[in-house]
Formats: sequence, structure tokens, C-alpha cells
Amino acid sequence: DAGVIQSPRHEVTEMGQEVTLRCKPISGHNSLFWYRQTMMRGLELLIYFNNNVPIDDSGMPEDRFSAKMPNASFSTLKIQPSEPRDSAVYFCASSSTTGTLNYGYTFGSGTRLTVV
Amino acid sequence: RKEVEQDPGPFNVPEGATVAFNCTYSNSASQSFFWYRQDCRKEPKLLMSVYSSGNEDGRFTAQLNRASQYISLLIRDSKLSDSATYLCVVNQKVTFGTGTKLQVIP
Repeated sequence: DAGVIQSPRHEVTEMGQEVTLRCKPISGHNSLFWYRQTMMRGLELLIYFNNNVPIDDSGMPEDRFSAKMPNASFSTLKIQPSEPRDSAVYFCASSSTTGTLNYGYTFGSGTRLTVV
Repeated sequence: RKEVEQDPGPFNVPEGATVAFNCTYSNSASQSFFWYRQDCRKEPKLLMSVYSSGNEDGRFTAQLNRASQYISLLIRDSKLSDSATYLCVVNQKVTFGTGTKLQVIP
């Protein structure tokens, strides 16, 4: 099992540029989550999908952020245009969920984003 | 009130000590609870699930108190390698606590 795979591991970009983060969940997991972690705010849930459908995107900070899950094995988080305050570590996690029960989340290694 | 609250610490404890962390949650309908461990500049990793009856894994014991709406993690005989940030997770809205930093000192 390769685990949750995120790319890129590091991204440095200039303010105003578009940034796309990618995630491949664990095969067989039906839920996928995007988190952002900063020292000030800790780990924040941005959006999560269940069976490829966005369930809750209330954590997405603003319209500059968008996420898609075109199929069960791939998701993207896009920031356009990026701003310095978007600098953070972005984690993708996947899990197996049945109803309201969850069996634990497995995280990818994260993408460390720096917007200059 | 925040959905999930933890004491951020840091907790500085000597090797061999017993240390306990609590995590309170606001949504009484929450169903699944977990403790995660996060090392510096790494991703969170599942430490253990928390079951209603309480559960133990070696030196680690997790408990759930639904009446008071908190979960706890007890670490016995602390090792240097236990130094990390411990995050609680409450499932209702997949909410993580901000984490409790533990530093075990020789």
C-alpha cells in the first residue's frame, strides 16, 4: 500500500500565480479531505469529499480556492490567484467512512507552499 | 465554544513519567474519536482510536467520557521518542484539536 500520495512536496511561487496541489488517496477509501496547517491556526479542514462528491466546503477560505475530485483516485486543490497568506502546509487525507462512522484518516506527506 | 479544544502545552515531563492529555468536544452527536501524533515537519499519524469502553495499546490508554464530552490519552513510562504533538480528532465534522505538545526530557 503506497499510502496517500501528494505532489509536489514543496512549492514556491510568486503572488498572483496559480497553484495546483494534487492528491492520490488510498485505493478503496471513499472519503478524501484537504487540510491546511499553520502555526497560528493549527490544522484546518478546507473541504471533504465522500464518494467523489464534495460534502462540506465551508472551510474553504474564499473563492480563490477550489477543489475537485474527478474520480476516486485523484483530487486537486487549486489556488488562483495565490497570496502570501496562503503559505502553509497543505495535507490531503483519505479514510473509509460508513454512515457517520469513520475508521481513521491516513495523511499524505503534505505540500509545503510558500507564496512570495 | 470551539468544536474541539486541547491544552496546547508544552508539557515537559521527565523520562519514565506518566502524562495525560484531555480533549473536550462540543457536539454530543459525535461518533468517532481518535488520537493522532505529529512529529515536527511531518504528517499526523494515527496513534489510536478511542472506543466507548476505553482501550489500551502498550503504554498508551485512551478513554471517552460522553457525559462530560471529553476524551483522554494517558502515556505511561514516557520515552524520549514520545516527544511530539498529540492531536485529538472528533469525527462529526472531522475536526482536529490544535494539538498538545509533549517534550520528554532526559
